[in-house]
Amino acid sequence: DADVTQTPRNRITKTGKRIMLECSQTKGHDRMYWYRQDPGLGLQLIYYSFDVKDINKGEISDGYSVSRQAQAKFSLSLESAIPNQTALYFCATSDPRPGTGETTDTQYFGPGTRLTVL
Amino acid sequence: GQQLNQSPQSMFIQEGEDVSMNCTSSSIFNTWLWYKQDPGEGPVLLIALYKAGELTSNGRLTAQFGITRKDSFLNISASIPSDVGIYFCAGQVKGAQKLVFGQGTRLTINP
Repeated sequence: DADVTQTPRNRITKTGKRIMLECSQTKGHDRMYWYRQDPGLGLQLIYYSFDVKDINKGEISDGYSVSRQAQAKFSLSLESAIPNQTALYFCATSDPRPGTGETTDTQYFGPGTRLTVL
Repeated sequence: GQQLNQSPQSMFIQEGEDVSMNCTSSSIFNTWLWYKQDPGEGPVLLIALYKAGELTSNGRLTAQFGITRKDSFLNISASIPSDVGIYFCAGQVKGAQKLVFGQGTRLTINP
């Protein structure tokens, strides 16, 4: 079974609809992230959470909200979807790795959700 | 904010050739990660580097953490068709809490 799962894998919706994307992980990691990827581009961070009570905005949080329901679950919501939110959305998890006096993260990604907003 | 410059943006090679790509930054990093993404899938971690000068291999893949801590390279030897995809570098700046991603290198292999 996959360590990081995302549902749905594909979603087509209309402008103005509310959409929720779900992410679950069995890795036991505290840290979870939501990224957006547009065609031919890299990954942009939307929101991240370092534990159940922690929520932080990333580079492109406008138009999105998140909920960390449990250590293993992190959901992303689009309150009122618009066409330029059409993209691939990825969830990732990490655990800080003790380094030389600092913690370093290695992130593991889910399979992605392809969202199309008409 | 911090940026990673990943090059080349795309590569077209013949099967069996070796491949080299790199990432550079003006910031000092304490972690370098290399990912591969197949079409429609999530990035998969290939190699993680945590120390300056570290050289790590994973099968035909070799990556190094630059001694200046501002760059990293990934080499693929004797490429095969399943190596096709997009390769991303990612790094964590010293003292930061998030990863920074490169824009990716798209690898195409002609049989």
